[in-house]
Amino acid sequence: DQQVKQNSPSLSVQEGRISILNCDYTNSMFDYFLWYKKYPAEGPTFLISISSIKDKNEDGRFTVFLNKSAKHLSLHIVPSQPGDSAVYFCAASEGGGADGLTFGKGTHLIIQP
Amino acid sequence: DAGITQSPRHKVTETGTPVTLRCHQTENHRYMYWYRQDPGHGLRLIHYSYGVKDTDKGEVSDGYSVSRSKTEDFLLTLESATSSQTSVYFCAISDRRQVLTYEQYFGPGTRLTVT
Repeated sequence: DQQVKQNSPSLSVQEGRISILNCDYTNSMFDYFLWYKKYPAEGPTFLISISSIKDKNEDGRFTVFLNKSAKHLSLHIVPSQPGDSAVYFCAASEGGGADGLTFGKGTHLIIQP
Repeated sequence: DAGITQSPRHKVTETGTPVTLRCHQTENHRYMYWYRQDPGHGLRLIHYSYGVKDTDKGEVSDGYSVSRSKTEDFLLTLESATSSQTSVYFCAISDRRQVLTYEQYFGPGTRLTVT
């Protein structure tokens, strides 16, 4: 049973516009959430994270929003650039221990010129 | 970029043979992880280590074993490779010394094909 869900396998956005990637989770014990970006033939690269005690975290063009009551988070990229074309993974952690991350299946973001 | 290397980067092996993948870090991070990535599954945790000689199982540990005899090296062994273990394998490291930061940093991956 998937605990982290990214329901959009792909998303196409025009350059300069806002990209919004969504993620839902079912495990109430998750208390830390991360977004990773992955190019083909490379390892995932950490992008931005948010603790469950916050509802927003911003880093340059990237903002992550967390809605705990809805068990939903989203990543906003504005403005979108051609180099943003990649697969984006949402991941979650129960914090506390050294356990690994639970990942969604990913969303392939395509930035159209 | 975190200093993480994986070897080999590509490997083709036959069903039934043992295979060992190596992850090496230069960051002196305590925590190390092995994941596999398959189409339609995202990344799934195989095993992890929270210190030298301290390891535990992840979500998809069947058919895999690990060892960590030094802080910098984490080995993943497929005792008898099967076609279902054809995948891309990623190693990750984590520091966790800062409060409320659980970022993991990934290596470049190893593409393993079992024929």
